[in-house]
Formats: sequence, structure tokens, C-alpha cells
Amino acid sequence: DIQMTQSPSSLSASVGDRVTITCQASQDISNYLNWYQQKPGKAPKLLIYGASNLETGVPSRFSGSGSGTDFTFTISSLQPEDVATYYCQQYDNIPLTFGPGTKVHMK
Amino acid sequence: EVQLLQSGGGLVQPGGSLRLSCAASGFTFSTYAMSWVRQAPGKGLEWVSVITSTGSSTYNADSVKGRFTISRDNSKNTLYLQMNGLRAEDTAVYYCAKSGATILDAFDIWGQGTMVTVSS
Repeated sequence: DIQMTQSPSSLSASVGDRVTITCQASQDISNYLNWYQQKPGKAPKLLIYGASNLETGVPSRFSGSGSGTDFTFTISSLQPEDVATYYCQQYDNIPLTFGPGTKVHMK
Repeated sequence: EVQLLQSGGGLVQPGGSLRLSCAASGFTFSTYAMSWVRQAPGKGLEWVSVITSTGSSTYNADSVKGRFTISRDNSKNTLYLQMNGLRAEDTAVYYCAKSGATILDAFDIWGQGTMVTVSS
């Protein structure tokens, strides 16, 4: 199975800050990596697919990059509505696996 | 509007059974793979099962293999998860999720989630 790790597990930032989350796969997954946002009590929402492609309707302050085993998710200018937990997920192979999540708080 | 509406769930005793349903609307259900993903209270996301668009192939996480069965009825635009031999560790919010044309794809549409509690 492909293991996904994320860092940090949580972070605190101010409005307008640049926020970066990293995700690492236990083996090469090419660009088969998605990022989701989940707000409390809500279903996850797809933000980035294929490592760097912005899902339709998602604000452009969200971006993703990377390939192979190392990936990065960035919020260029943190907004209050971005307070959430963010998950990476690989779809290179079954079982599909998620990272443990990064909780983003507002300072 | 593209939508997945879930039903089923609730409280069940250990060893019991439950069936979850997920009704799709707003897209051509029969052309997309579908999955179930769960989230235990206060925990992260765990993929559970996936089924191909035609229903000809299914895959399960090791944690539910032999106990859970994913199926679909494309004539009714509905996805199912039959859960047998339920254990306390199956307690979670269960989400259905739409994938792409293949099982290896992003989950772009999610149901609202339904709580399953396994307890005596």
C-alpha cells in the first residue's frame, strides 16, 4: 500500500499569509495526487487534481505542485473562509489512500 | 444540479448489518466509477470501496474485505454499500463519492455523509 504523510499536522496563520503544506508518498506516484478541503461537519471538497490542476470554481489563491513522491499545496493569501483541514490523496493505485490531514487555524 | 443524496445509516449492534444508499442526479451516473469513503469521529478520511461504472469490478480496503459489499443499480442511479459483521471500529460518517471514468481518479462530487454507529 502507498502511505501518504503530510506536514505540518496543524498550523496557525494570519489573514493574507502564504500557507504551504507538504505531502509525501511512500513511492513514486507520478502526478496522481489530489488535494481536498474539509470544513467541520461538511463533506470534503476537491480543490486540486493531478497534483497541479485547479478544480473548476476553486479560487486561484489555491495551487499545487510536485511529482514523484513530494508534493506541495499552497494558499497564496489566506482568507478567513480557508479555515479547514486539508488532505492529500493518491490515486496511483488501489487502495486509494489519504494523508492524515493538516488543520489550518486563523491567528 | 449535480448531487449525491445519501440515506441509511444509524445505530446497529456489533455483528449486525446495515445498507447505505446514495442516489445520484444531475450527471450520467452509469459512466462514472463510484466510491465509499469513511471518517471515524475526530479522525481522517479512509477510502472503503470502489466500483467501476458498469459494476463489473469492485475493490475494497483490507479493513472491510469480506464484510462490506459495494454495488450499484444504474437503472436507478443509485450506489449501495451493504455492511455485514459490523464492528465498533466501523463507527464513522460514510460518504459516497463520484470518481471519473476510471476507478483511479479524483473524488469530485461527495454526498452529504451519513453516520453509522456500531454499539451495544
